[in-house]
Amino acid sequence: NAGVTQTPKFQVLKTGQSMTLQCAQDMNHNSMYWYRQDPGMGLRLIYYSASEGTTDKGEVPNGYNVSRLNKREFSLRLESAAPSQTSVYFCASSPTSGGAYEQFFGPGTRLTVL
Amino acid sequence: QKEVEQNSGPLSVPEGAIASLNCTYSDRGSQSFFWYRQYSGKSPELIMSIYSNGDKEDGRFTAQLNKASQYVSLLIRDSQPSDSATYLCAVRRVSGGYNKLIFGAGTRLAVHP
Repeated sequence: NAGVTQTPKFQVLKTGQSMTLQCAQDMNHNSMYWYRQDPGMGLRLIYYSASEGTTDKGEVPNGYNVSRLNKREFSLRLESAAPSQTSVYFCASSPTSGGAYEQFFGPGTRLTVL
Repeated sequence: QKEVEQNSGPLSVPEGAIASLNCTYSDRGSQSFFWYRQYSGKSPELIMSIYSNGDKEDGRFTAQLNKASQYVSLLIRDSQPSDSATYLCAVRRVSGGYNKLIFGAGTRLAVHP
């Protein structure tokens, strides 16, 4: 099992460009999450999907959109990138069934917006 | 007040010593607690989960939970240089029927030979 995979690993954008970050999990988990991590700020939740077909905003959703394509895949889109979106982005998944709520993280995408 | 608070460190301990990492949380109704380890430039990795008051041991790691005092701690026995990393505390919150984890900013641990 690959666990949680993310593409791309690195990306440099110019202000105003758009891009989609891809995430997939092969653990048959119900819930998936997108976080950003900035120095001194910890992990902040951008969007989450409790189950296939549902998505909801987290703590810092402005400037982002998401799609839960199927149970395996959860993508994050930046429509018009801004320098403030320079960050490391992590996707995570969680069973959220049978009392199991731990989250498992992908390797991350390092995004720089110039 | 942050929902989950950790001392940012760095916490410096000699090799072979016990490292003690602490975390406090504000939501008294929290039920599930997690410790993650994050090496520099890598993603968070789950190392312990604890749900009940008391201690839970896994190898060199012991998680301790005190719900009355709203703190959770992680002890690392026989610390090794390879334990040098940032340790994130996470608390489960149920909001609108959905489960989310709230993370602390992390404590940086440095184990020196």
